[in-house]
Amino acid sequence: DIQMTQSPSSLSASVGDRVTITCRASQGINNYLAWYQQKPGKVPELLIYAASTLQSGVPSRFSGSGSGTDFTLTISSLQPEDVATYYCQNYNNAPRTFGQGTKLEIK
Amino acid sequence: EVQLVESGGVVVQPGGSLRLSCAASGFTFDDYAMNWVRQAPGKGLEWVSLISWEGGRTYYADSVKGRFTVSRRNTKNSLYLQMNSLRAEDTAFYYCAKDKYGGSGSYPIDSWGQGTLVTVSS
Repeated sequence: DIQMTQSPSSLSASVGDRVTITCRASQGINNYLAWYQQKPGKVPELLIYAASTLQSGVPSRFSGSGSGTDFTLTISSLQPEDVATYYCQNYNNAPRTFGQGTKLEIK
Repeated sequence: EVQLVESGGVVVQPGGSLRLSCAASGFTFDDYAMNWVRQAPGKGLEWVSLISWEGGRTYYADSVKGRFTVSRRNTKNSLYLQMNSLRAEDTAFYYCAKDKYGGSGSYPIDSWGQGTLVTVSS
């Protein structure tokens, strides 16, 4: 089975900062990579799929990149409402594993 | 508007069984593969199971394989998860979740229910 490893596990940054979260797959997943945002007490929401395609309604400060095994989620200018835990997911095949999550806080 | 409403979560003893249900509306249910995803309180997301749009193909996480069975009844717009031989580590919120696109391809999840809490405890 494919393992998904995110880093860092937690992150504290200031409003306006550029924030980067990485996700590594244990084998190639053909860009079948999604990023989700889960705010405290809420269900997850899809941010990005196919590694770099922004889901409708998601602010343009979010972007995704990468291919094969290494992927990145970038927030170009951190906003207070971005406080959340972010998860990557392999959906290339089953099991559709999630990364362990990255908890993002405001400094 | 897509709506997914889970039910069936209760407190159950270790070794017990439980069936979760998910009622779907707002989309053509029998076009879409469906997932179960769980989240232990305060922990991360764990993908549990996937069933194809027609119900003929099912997939499971290693942690539940042989104990959980996913099924669907398209005529009732309903998804199910039969959970047997429950363990303390199965304690979690269980979410019903819809693939973004219909058909037989591999797609991310674009809609989630609010979840139902399963607690395995004596």
